[in-house]
Amino acid sequence: EVQLVESGGGLVQPGGSLRLSCVASGFTLSSYEMNWVRQAPGKGLEWLSYINSGGAIQNADSVRGRFTISRDIAKNSLYLQMNSLRVEDTAVYYCAREPGLGPRDGMDVWGQGTTVTVSS
Amino acid sequence: DIQMTQSPSSLSVSVGDRVTITCRASQSISSYLNWYQQRPGKAPKLLISDASSLQSGVPSRFRGSGSGTDLTLTISSLQPEDFATYYCQQTHSFPYTFGQGTKLEIK
Repeated sequence: EVQLVESGGGLVQPGGSLRLSCVASGFTLSSYEMNWVRQAPGKGLEWLSYINSGGAIQNADSVRGRFTISRDIAKNSLYLQMNSLRVEDTAVYYCAREPGLGPRDGMDVWGQGTTVTVSS
Repeated sequence: DIQMTQSPSSLSVSVGDRVTITCRASQSISSYLNWYQQRPGKAPKLLISDASSLQSGVPSRFRGSGSGTDLTLTISSLQPEDFATYYCQQTHSFPYTFGQGTKLEIK
């Protein structure tokens, strides 16, 4: 079964750091384009970060310089290192797969999400 | 950045109704537009990619159309399981951007 499972969320103080993980099963993560998307409580979806099969990365302005996407091919896993966290980073964080067909595809597989709460 | 404006933001509808949701892009995005359904407490689900390509397993009552700056999602006959929030997303260029969502509520 094709599946993504996120972990690593939790409560962190402003200015702190967290690393989110996303383990893929049923497919080879490094062969696809992968994304992180978040959703603040009661709000809409916000795209954060992207990595393609070649390792090229794109980031949203809201997280550039603070969040870093990476992957571990051997562990078939995607990561989001989050530094300098702010209260407004409080959200459910999803990893999501794109098939890699270019701009014509959407995010066809999503994880269940992991919750990050930034509060003192 | 390309701004995506969805309308309406919410809609009170009944089972069997025909529903149309519009997404307007701040510049042409060709057909690089996806539609997602999100039920409460769940991850989004891809319904339609490339403006009109129905994903496998998605009922045919869902239809996407349009190109350029004005694109639409139509649900031909609303079913009870369709009450959810719908989002459009452009993949024309980075940063990817989502519309603000359209919540379908039971009348």
